[in-house]
Amino acid sequence: RKEVEQDPGPFNVPEGATVAFNCTYSNSASQSFFWYRQDCRKEPKLLMSVYSSGNEDGRFTAQLNRASQYISLLIRDSKLSDSATYLCVVIPYTGRRALTFGSGTRLQVQP
Amino acid sequence: DGGITQSPKYLFRKEGQNVTLSCEQNLNHDAMYWYRQDPGQGLRLIYYSQIVNDFQKGDIAEGYSVSREKKESFPLTVTSAQKNPTAFYLCASSIEVGQTQLAKNIQYFGAGTRLSVL
Repeated sequence: RKEVEQDPGPFNVPEGATVAFNCTYSNSASQSFFWYRQDCRKEPKLLMSVYSSGNEDGRFTAQLNRASQYISLLIRDSKLSDSATYLCVVIPYTGRRALTFGSGTRLQVQP
Repeated sequence: DGGITQSPKYLFRKEGQNVTLSCEQNLNHDAMYWYRQDPGQGLRLIYYSQIVNDFQKGDIAEGYSVSREKKESFPLTVTSAQKNPTAFYLCASSIEVGQTQLAKNIQYFGAGTRLSVL
């Protein structure tokens, strides 16, 4: 089983739709969680950190479910500019403490 | 402006040749990382460094080498032993590795180098 798993998509949604992605992780000793956004042929950029209590940044909401070992990203009122690949990232408490990236979920927002 | 600079943007390697990818940061970050991304795939860790003069192998270190002689610089050499080097290479840095504060674990990326084989 991969350490971090994401549905590759693509998720094709119309403008204005609400869309949600999940990301599951296998290491229960995982500490920090992030969502990154990657545009085609570009570097990943931090979208938001994921706090234990959940957090919101404008149209984006991130949540963590430690019991079921997944994080989620909800995008409301999708814009064309939201089209990208969304990578979830996990850092463990112990062992090698570099980021472990999921393979990403591709979102295509259509007019 | 503070940031991470990777060069060159595109690089071509001949068979049997070693090539070096440059990564420089002026963010005063202690930790630096090298990742490889293949088309349609996630990022895989090649090497990382928590501090000057120290570095650790990642998941796919074979065929690669690094050095960390200065805090600002973390060059990656793709050696001739790496038989499938064509990929998008990304360098990143963070304040530290392994801290409990979320913000210190955030990694910032350079724009990447695309390496192809001639």
